[in-house]
Amino acid sequence: GEDVEQSLFLSVREGDSSVINCTYTDSSSTYLYWYKQEPGAGLQLLTYIFSNMDMKQDQRLTVLLNKKDKHLSLRIADTQTGDSAIYFCAERNSGGYQKVTFGTGTKLQVIP
Amino acid sequence: EAQVTQNPRYLITVTGKKLTVTCSQNMNHEYMSWYRQDPGLGLRQIYYSMNVEVTDKGDVPEGYKVSRKEKRNFPLILESPSPNQTSLYFCASSRDRNSYEQYFGPGTRLTVT
Repeated sequence: GEDVEQSLFLSVREGDSSVINCTYTDSSSTYLYWYKQEPGAGLQLLTYIFSNMDMKQDQRLTVLLNKKDKHLSLRIADTQTGDSAIYFCAERNSGGYQKVTFGTGTKLQVIP
Repeated sequence: EAQVTQNPRYLITVTGKKLTVTCSQNMNHEYMSWYRQDPGLGLRQIYYSMNVEVTDKGDVPEGYKVSRKEKRNFPLILESPSPNQTSLYFCASSRDRNSYEQYFGPGTRLTVT
C-alpha cells in the first residue's frame, strides 16, 4: 500500500532556512501536500503541488518535487518562531477513491 | 465563517461506555472523513463518506461506526471504547472527492481508561 515517511523532528535557529523532507512510495500520486498543525489545532493546508510540476514557490515557501526519487521537500525561508509546528506531508493517489495518505509529521522547533 | 466543528473537544471515559463524537460542516461539502492521530504514526483514516448515506471503511475502521444521514453531519460512534482507542481524532471535509483541499476540524482528544 501507500507509504509516506518523514523525519520526526527538526530544530533551526530563527532567521535560518528550514528544509523538511518527505518520501513516498505511490507512483500514481496526483497531488502532494504540506499541511501545518499548530499546537491544539487541526491541520491547515499550507501548500500543494501537482505531480507534473517540479517546483512551486509561494512567498517564503518553496516546494520541490523529485518524482523519479519520490521525494518531496518544503523549504521555509527566514524561519520565524511562528513557524514552530508539526508539518505533515501527504499524497493523493489517482485511483477511483483518490485516497490521501499522510506522513508521520515533522515537528519543527524554531530557536529564537 | 466556513468551518468544521467537532464536539466534544476533550473527553475522558471508561472502557465499554458508548460514546459519540459529533462533526458538522457548514460548507455544503459532499465528502467527509474521520482520522485518528497517534505519535509516530501520523494521521490514519478511520471512515469516509462520499455523500449522504454513502460511507466506507478507511485504514483503521475496527471498533468504530459512522453514519451520514444529513450532508452536514458525520458522527463517529464508539460502541464499546477500549484503551487502544485513546487518541486525537480529526474530522475533515472537502467539496467532493476530487477537490484538492480538505478542511479539518479542531480535533477531539479522547482518553479511554
